[in-house]
Amino acid sequence: NAGVTQTPKFRILKIGQSMTLQCTQDMNHNYMYWYRQDPGMGLKLIYYSVGAGITDKGEVPNGYNVSRSTTEDFPLRLELAAPSQTSVYFCASSLPGPDLHGYTFGSGTRLTVV
Amino acid sequence: RKEVEQDPGPFNVPEGATVAFNCTYSNSASQSFFWYRQDCRKEPKLLMSVYSSGNEDGRFTAQLNRASQYISLLIRDSKLSDSATYLCVVNKPSGNTPLVFGKGTRLSVIA
Repeated sequence: NAGVTQTPKFRILKIGQSMTLQCTQDMNHNYMYWYRQDPGMGLKLIYYSVGAGITDKGEVPNGYNVSRSTTEDFPLRLELAAPSQTSVYFCASSLPGPDLHGYTFGSGTRLTVV
Repeated sequence: RKEVEQDPGPFNVPEGATVAFNCTYSNSASQSFFWYRQDCRKEPKLLMSVYSSGNEDGRFTAQLNRASQYISLLIRDSKLSDSATYLCVVNKPSGNTPLVFGKGTRLSVIA
């Protein structure tokens, strides 16, 4: 049982480049989330989804886009990378009612924009 | 007032010590509370849920004080392996909104 899988684990981008961070889960969780965590800081919610075809903005959505075409996958797209997007990105998933069950996180993608 | 506030620490304690962390939350209607553990350069992992009556899991005890809107985590007989950042997590009681994570309290257990 793989849980939440994120790829790639590490990436260096040049300013202005684009990339997609992949996230897939095999637990049949409806809810999925993207967070970023800057060094020494807390988790900031970028986007989330409560099911296929439904996405909502979190507190820091600017510069990112998401899609949710299947229950399993929730990719995060960076269109024009900026140094401010250097961070660790975590994908998470949960059953409906995360209040009861909490989240399962992937192992993260470390992104550096130079 | 921030939604979830924690003392960032670090708390430096010797092995075998008892240490406690508090966390305050702003929404009095919040119903669900968790403690997560995050090791350096790793993802957060669920440590324990916090129940109204308080709950214990081995050396870890979680308490909830609704009147004062804080939750606590007590670690007894600290081990070197307990060194990590502990995140306080609270729900937003409105629809399907995600959980709110505190910034964490860093613990270092020293030999």
